[in-house]
Amino acid sequence: GIQVEQSPPDLILQEGANSTLRCNFSDSVNNLQWFHQNPWGQLINLFYIPSGTKQNGRLSATTVATERYSLLYISSSQTTDSGVYFCAVEEGSRANSKLTFGKGITLSVRP
Amino acid sequence: EAEVAQSPRYKITEKSQAVAFWCDPISGHATLYWYRQILGQGPELLVQFQDESVVDDSQLPKDRFSAERLKGVDSTLKIQPAELGDSAMYLCASSLGHTTTLHFGNGTRLTVT
Repeated sequence: GIQVEQSPPDLILQEGANSTLRCNFSDSVNNLQWFHQNPWGQLINLFYIPSGTKQNGRLSATTVATERYSLLYISSSQTTDSGVYFCAVEEGSRANSKLTFGKGITLSVRP
Repeated sequence: EAEVAQSPRYKITEKSQAVAFWCDPISGHATLYWYRQILGQGPELLVQFQDESVVDDSQLPKDRFSAERLKGVDSTLKIQPAELGDSAMYLCASSLGHTTTLHFGNGTRLTVT
């Protein structure tokens, strides 16, 4: 099946700093989503972005499908951005393939 | 904003007992998923429904786990008998279609003692 690698595994930021989270995948995809899991376990969908660039407030994401990676940018980070960020992908070459999650990036934003 | 409802929020059970989780997806969402998340890892798909039909249950341990979505709306995931290794977060998610945005519920945190 498709492999998903996220980096870095852990990230510590001072409030107000910017960061870039990376997701590499091993095959073509027709579905890529970024999620934020808060400290209480709730998973929130941030972006549905199989290709191209999207922005939502301080967050933006870019997926370069031909080079098999996606980036999540967080600007002017806040303590509420802390948590785990997951990238999830679905293979494009297989019918009804499932969404495979990476291991996540743990972000801690310090006041 | 509409949400995926799950209950219970927490469940503690003894091994060899039966346990059940309930999920009500966002209204109109045809696709429903059950995921299991072990501490420190990403969610892993257990079963996926399209309306009332199972689309993928390849990772569901069928000797002890069962899932149903009888009327194509809400769903129940059951474990019988529970084992210590089943301790995890069980997450339900729904989407309009197969390759559209996934919306997760708050999850059920299961502890098997």
